[in-house]
Amino acid sequence: NAGVTQTPKFQVLKTGQSMTLQCAQDMNHNSMYWYRQDPGMGLRLIYYSASEGTTDKGEVPNGYNVSRLNKREFSLRLESAAPSQTSVYFCASSLAGGDTQYFGPGTRLTVL
Amino acid sequence: AQSVTQLDSQVPVFEEAPVELRCNYSSSVSVYLFWYVQYPNQGLQLLLKYLSGSTLVESINGFEAEFNKSQTSFHLRKPSVHISDTAEYFCAVRGSGYSTLTFGKGTMLLVSP
Repeated sequence: NAGVTQTPKFQVLKTGQSMTLQCAQDMNHNSMYWYRQDPGMGLRLIYYSASEGTTDKGEVPNGYNVSRLNKREFSLRLESAAPSQTSVYFCASSLAGGDTQYFGPGTRLTVL
Repeated sequence: AQSVTQLDSQVPVFEEAPVELRCNYSSSVSVYLFWYVQYPNQGLQLLLKYLSGSTLVESINGFEAEFNKSQTSFHLRKPSVHISDTAEYFCAVRGSGYSTLTFGKGTMLLVSP
């Protein structure tokens, strides 16, 4: 059981470039989440997917898009990266919305 | 709406001393409360949670937290900390009817010899 996996672990982008962060879980969870973590700000929810086929905005969705590809995978896309998107991104999953969440190891993104 | 306030951004403590990390929440509905721990360069892991029943909940590594509805608090305590407890601790709340968690800004616990 790998739990929640994220790729890549590290990424450096230039302003305006695009990229997709990948997340997969092997726990047969219905709900998946994307957070960003910034110093002194805690974790802020970007988008979540309560179940396969649905996605909803969280607290800080601007500049991001998501795709729930299937029950296992939930990707986060930055269409035109900005320095303000420099952060550590965490994916999480739970059996149902609001249940205990299980987190991936994170992706450290730097936008120059 | 729901919110979480962690009153201390950093708590330094000596090994084997007791510690309390404070958490207050705001919610207009019934709540479920969580503490997560993040060790350096890792993701978050659930430490303990309150869903219902006994207001005192415990983790397997000696931490405990007490749900206090009148004071809207869920403080985390440990009677004797170890060096290995050095980590960032996050309090989170989910209101009844909500499907997402709201996290506090975190408290860094620094244990020194």
